[in-house]
Amino acid sequence: NAGVTQTPKFRILKIGQSMTLQCTQDMNHNYMYWYRQDPGMGLKLIYYSVGAGITDKGEVPNGYNVSRSTTEDFPLRLELAAPSQTSVYFCASSSHFGGSGVGNQPQHFGDGTRLSIL
Amino acid sequence: DAKTTQPNSMESNEEEPVHLPCNHSTISGTDYIHWYRQLPSQGPEYVIHGLTSNVNNRMASLAIAEDRKSSTLILHRATLRDAAVYYCILSGSDYKLSFGAGTTVTVRA
Repeated sequence: NAGVTQTPKFRILKIGQSMTLQCTQDMNHNYMYWYRQDPGMGLKLIYYSVGAGITDKGEVPNGYNVSRSTTEDFPLRLELAAPSQTSVYFCASSSHFGGSGVGNQPQHFGDGTRLSIL
Repeated sequence: DAKTTQPNSMESNEEEPVHLPCNHSTISGTDYIHWYRQLPSQGPEYVIHGLTSNVNNRMASLAIAEDRKSSTLILHRATLRDAAVYYCILSGSDYKLSFGAGTTVTVRA
């Protein structure tokens, strides 16, 4: 069972370049999330999705875009890379079934994409 | 969003129990208490969660205060592989997790 898979694992970009971070999950989870983690800090939510075709902004969405065309995939796009976007990016997913509320579902994380922008 | 407060760091000896405290005085009635841990260079890993009653699983135990304003994660016998940053997080009706700085746990051999 692969869980949440992120690609690439590492990437170096030049300022102004664009790229897409890929995230796919094989657990049939409706909810998916993108976080970034700066050195020595906790994770911050960038965007999230509650199902195919539905996305919403998190805490730090500026400079990023997302799409959710299928249940399995939730790519994150950087259009004009800036040094401030140097970070480790984590994708996560969770199920909305079971329990007495959505807060009752744990999130499953990928191994992250380490992105440096020079 | 309701916030949590954790100590910055804790140390333990191998094979001894570790008690990680978390304060969440503004918790709402629908907030679940989640614990995640993050090993070096890895993504966060779910540990345990609960609402009102104490919870046990193969990784740890979660003790929740009667008023729900605090909780404690208990690692029964720490191993070197338990050295990580542990995050106490409240998860409510908006299903979003808010990560703080967490508690860095060091395990001495």
